[in-house]
Amino acid sequence: DAGVTQSPTHLIKTRGQQVTLRCSPKSGHDTVSWYQQALGQGPQFIFQYYEEEERQRGNFPDRFSGHQFPNYSSELNVNALLLGDSALYLCASTFAGSNQPQHFGDGTRLSIL
Amino acid sequence: AQSVTQPDIHITVSEGASLELRCNYSYGATPYLFWYVQSPGQGLQLLLKYFSGDTLVQGIKGFEAEFKRSQSSFNLRKPSVHWSDAAEYFCAVARGGSGNTGKLIFGQGTTLQVKP
Repeated sequence: DAGVTQSPTHLIKTRGQQVTLRCSPKSGHDTVSWYQQALGQGPQFIFQYYEEEERQRGNFPDRFSGHQFPNYSSELNVNALLLGDSALYLCASTFAGSNQPQHFGDGTRLSIL
Repeated sequence: AQSVTQPDIHITVSEGASLELRCNYSYGATPYLFWYVQSPGQGLQLLLKYFSGDTLVQGIKGFEAEFKRSQSSFNLRKPSVHWSDAAEYFCAVARGGSGNTGKLIFGQGTTLQVKP
């Protein structure tokens, strides 16, 4: 049973570019959350998707957007990349309304040059 | 504002020694509380969680944590540390009643080093 899978594992971009990160939730999960973890910091909540809609959002600018597909997988898009966007981006999934905790993927390491 | 403080950025213990990692939170009501562990280059693994009930919570890998409402603390403990416990540990909170989908607010983390 595959857990949460994220792709790519590493990515290098330059300032001003756009990037798309992908997440496949654990089998049976329908809710996906995205977190940004800067070096030496704890993860920060970006947003959460359920039933293909953004349900909760953290304190991130509109440059950060997302999408959830009918198969529950999700994408995180970041436009106009800044040096400060360099971080590990984590995806977490769960089944809404259950007692299951949120399961995290291994993340995508994004480096901005 | 909701926040989580992990006062110890780095802790070193000898293998076989006991461990306590501190966590204090600031929240309007009783939150849900979590401890996660992160090994280098990997995602987060849940060690244990507190939603309600018994304030002493048992988790995986021999870890336990105690919720103390009066001190707004949720400290993580292990009686005997193994070399494989070396990792980054994060305390997190979520709004009470948010079920399993509440957004998690994390502390800055504590790096645990284990001496042989």
